[in-house]
Amino acid sequence: AQSVTQLDSQVPVFEEAPVELRCNYSSSVSVYLFWYVQYPNQGLQLLLKYLSGSTLVKGINGFEAEFNKSQTSFHLRKPSVHISDTAEYFCAVRGNTDKLIFGTGTRLQVFP
Amino acid sequence: DTEVTQTPKHLVMGMTNKKSLKCEQHMGHRAMYWYKQKAKKPPELMFVYSYEKLSINESVPSRFSPECPNSSLLNLHLHALQPEDSALYLCASSQDKKGLTLGASPLHFGNGTRLTVT
Repeated sequence: AQSVTQLDSQVPVFEEAPVELRCNYSSSVSVYLFWYVQYPNQGLQLLLKYLSGSTLVKGINGFEAEFNKSQTSFHLRKPSVHISDTAEYFCAVRGNTDKLIFGTGTRLQVFP
Repeated sequence: DTEVTQTPKHLVMGMTNKKSLKCEQHMGHRAMYWYKQKAKKPPELMFVYSYEKLSINESVPSRFSPECPNSSLLNLHLHALQPEDSALYLCASSQDKKGLTLGASPLHFGNGTRLTVT
C-alpha cells in the first residue's frame, strides 16, 4: 500500500520569495509521483509528474520538484512566487494500479 | 480550460430527489473516475471504470450509482442522498492503454459539480 504525507497544512510567503512545499511518501513498490494544484472552485490541474529517469522534474507555471528515493521525498519548489500561485497543492502517489492517493494538501498563501 | 467537462456546475437537491451528474471527455482515455471532495480535504476515490467496466468501488453507499454508457461518458446517479453527501464531485480520466504501465498515466480532472443536499 502507498501513502503520502504533506507536512505543512499552510505555507505563507511574500510575493517574489522562493517556496518549498514538502511531500514524503511511503510504498513497498515502485511508485509514480504527481503534484496537482487546485484553485478556488475549480478541479485539480496537473503541475508535474515523476515517472522515471531524471530526478529533477520541471512542470508548468515555473514549478519543479525533486525525487529523492533515499529520503522518500518529492518536494515542490518555485524560485519566485506570484500572487496568482495562491492555491491548494496536493502531492499524490500511484503504484501500478488504478488508485491515485492524495496527501492532505498544502495551502500556499502568497502575500503582496 | 479543462478537457474533462462536468455538468451541472452546481446542483441543489432534496433528500427524496433523483438526479444525475454527467462527465464527458474526448481525449480517447479508457479509464474514468469519480472522486468526492469535502471542504479543505483531499479528493477521495469513489469509483473507477476501466474500458467501460467498473473496476473499483470504494465501498460507496448504494445511493450513489455510477454508469459508463461509452468510453467518453461517465454518469453518477444520485438517489435519497443525505446532507452529509454535500461536497464537490470530481470526474477524472486517464489514458491507461492496455499493455502500458497503468500507474504512469496522470489523471485529468474536470472542474467538478458542487452538490448541496437539503
